[in-house]
Amino acid sequence: GGIITQTPKFLIGQEGQKLTLKCQQNFNHDTMYWYRQDSGKGLRLIYYSITENDLQKGDLSEGYDASREKKSSFSLTVTSAQKNEMAVFLCASSSGGSERLFFGHGTKLSVL
Amino acid sequence: GDSVTQKQGQVTLSEDDFLFINCTYSTTTYPTLLWYVQYLGQGPQLLLKVTTANNKGISRGFEATYDKGTTSFHLQKASVQESDSAVYFCALVDFSNYNVLYFGSGTKLTVEP
Repeated sequence: GGIITQTPKFLIGQEGQKLTLKCQQNFNHDTMYWYRQDSGKGLRLIYYSITENDLQKGDLSEGYDASREKKSSFSLTVTSAQKNEMAVFLCASSSGGSERLFFGHGTKLSVL
Repeated sequence: GDSVTQKQGQVTLSEDDFLFINCTYSTTTYPTLLWYVQYLGQGPQLLLKVTTANNKGISRGFEATYDKGTTSFHLQKASVQESDSAVYFCALVDFSNYNVLYFGSGTKLTVEP
C-alpha cells in the first residue's frame, strides 16, 4: 500500500501572507489533486495535475498557484491569505483517472 | 456543467436505526456516482460506486442505488452502529474533464449508543 503525506498539518498565517502547502505520495499515481474543505460546503477542487509538470484549474483556482515538478509531489500556494480564513486543504492522488482517490489527512489553515 | 447537491447537512440516529441519505445530480453524460466517507481526523475514502440505474452497490453493510428518472442517488444501511459516525459525501465523475470528481456538501452522521 501507499501513503499520502501532507505538510504541515497545521498552518497559521497572517493576512496577505503567501503560504505553501506540500503533498507527497508514494503510490506512483499519475494524477494528483488539491481540494478545499469548508464546513457545510463539501470538497471543492482547486487544482489538479494529470502528470508531472501538468496543471489544470479547478472551480476554485483563483487566489492559488500550484506546482508539480515531480510525479510524487504536488504543492499548493495561497498567494495572499485572507483574514479570518479557515479551511482544511486536502491532497489526493489516483491512478490514471480512476474514481478511487486516495486522500491525505489534510492541512488545516487559519489566518489571523 | 456537472453538479451534485446534497441537502442533508446533519443526521443523528441511535444504534440499530435505519440510515437513508440522498443526493441529486446533473450531468449530460451517463453518470457514475460515488459515496465517500470521512472519519474524524482522516481524509475521505471511497465507500461505494454505482454505475447502473436501479442496481445496487454494496459495501460494509451499506447499499447505494440511483434513480435515473429523478436524477437522485441514495445511501442506506439497515442498522447503523456508533462506528459509522462520520461525514458521508456523494460525488459524480465528470468523464468529459479527466474524470474529475464533483462532491456534494456532505452529511454528518452521528450515531448515539
